Amino acid sequence: EAQVTQNPRYLITVTGKKLTVTCSQNMNHEYMSWYRQDPGLGLRQIYYSMNVEVTDKGDVPEGYKVSRKEKRNFPLILESPSPNQTSLYFCASSLSYDIGSPNYGYTFGSGTRLTVV
Amino acid sequence: AQTVTQSQPEMSVQEAETVTLSCTYDTSESDYYLFWYKQPPSRQMILVIRQEAYKQQNATENRFSVNFQKAAKSFSLKISDSQLGDAAMYFCAYRSAMDSNYQLIWGAGTKLIIKP
Repeated sequence: EAQVTQNPRYLITVTGKKLTVTCSQNMNHEYMSWYRQDPGLGLRQIYYSMNVEVTDKGDVPEGYKVSRKEKRNFPLILESPSPNQTSLYFCASSLSYDIGSPNYGYTFGSGTRLTVV
Repeated sequence: AQTVTQSQPEMSVQEAETVTLSCTYDTSESDYYLFWYKQPPSRQMILVIRQEAYKQQNATENRFSVNFQKAAKSFSLKISDSQLGDAAMYFCAYRSAMDSNYQLIWGAGTKLIIKP
């Protein structure tokens, strides 16, 4: 089944303890992206990647890191989590980042509910 | 910068009736795309409908249709014959055809409640 797999689904951690949220897609998609969802704010982009070893910042990158060493994986790293990073996180992928392409279209993971205490 | 506004935090409708969710956006661009996404309690984000700004014809997908008013920068979603499975958060999203970030700009969402 074509999908984007995020883990874990839920995570409670303490301030300052490094964590990684994994994201993997099995569709050979070029483009991958991380969003955070907060009540009243919708989704905001954290980082995106257009292909292996190509990543760039979105609107809210502070406090986050990403890497794209393989096409299928795009982990989100919080080096020193803080309570303001408590949120619902989504990974998404697309075969093409070119919206004019017939292959354009996001597939989303099921989300990771992160609580930092 | 582009913004997307959904002015209805919550809407409710009787099963089998029709409901319209509002979305307005602000942009100075002429070439862009608009989307409605559905997020059920499972949290999975599901594409409902997509509209290209250069197309005058409103997009439709079965019971879902949009009213795209480009001059007014309005993009409302109409759900006909509402079903219990339509209960979800609905997000309106904007994507520039020229944006170097290739990102979607999202509204805050509207929670749709279906009354049986």
